[in-house]
Amino acid sequence: SYVLTQPPSVSVAPGQTARITCGGNNIGVKRVHWYQHKPGQAPVLVVHDDSDRPSGIPERFSGSNSGNTATLTITRVEAGDEADYYCQVWDISSDHLVFGGGTKLTVL
Amino acid sequence: EVQLLESGGGLVQPGGSLRLSCAASGFTFSSYAMSWVRQAPGKGLEWVASISGSYYGTNYADSVKGRFTISRDNSKNTLYLQMNSLRAEDTAVYYCAKDHFPNVAPRYVSFNLWGQGTMVTVSS
Repeated sequence: SYVLTQPPSVSVAPGQTARITCGGNNIGVKRVHWYQHKPGQAPVLVVHDDSDRPSGIPERFSGSNSGNTATLTITRVEAGDEADYYCQVWDISSDHLVFGGGTKLTVL
Repeated sequence: EVQLLESGGGLVQPGGSLRLSCAASGFTFSSYAMSWVRQAPGKGLEWVASISGSYYGTNYADSVKGRFTISRDNSKNTLYLQMNSLRAEDTAVYYCAKDHFPNVAPRYVSFNLWGQGTMVTVSS
């Protein structure tokens, strides 16, 4: 089965840039989506199809995808960005949807 | 208002059954594939099952295949998850989620609307 690998945690100071990676075999040919999930709340889609933002998501959130790594970048990080972030793809070979293990973003 | 509202969670004994419902409103329900995603305590998100909008094609995670059944009633704007032979490892918050775009193939799926979740606890 297809595996997505994320770092368990990323820490960044307010105002700085956070980069969260999502590794997978040849992930660059897949469409990668990113979710923000805060405790007790429903997950929120922040980037879809590698680099597109849904309406209402700040431009501070951006995504890229190439080779074996997709990346979610959050610029000018704010305290309110502290959350778990998950990448997601569809694996055609198994017809399964796959989430990464999640990355906890801590704003110092 | 565009929203999803899950119900049906609760405490059930191992081997038991439970049916979850997800009431949708504010969008053309039949045009969108829908899914169930769960999160066990202290764990990450795990996809459970998906169903297409109109022709009712389904896909299941290996961990639930043969035990869980996803279905929908487009006349009632409602998504269901029938869970049988429940195990302790099925304990989780179960979310229903809506595809971002209508009538898309599964390989393009992303979820732009989620419910608040319903807790399922499997324990004796």
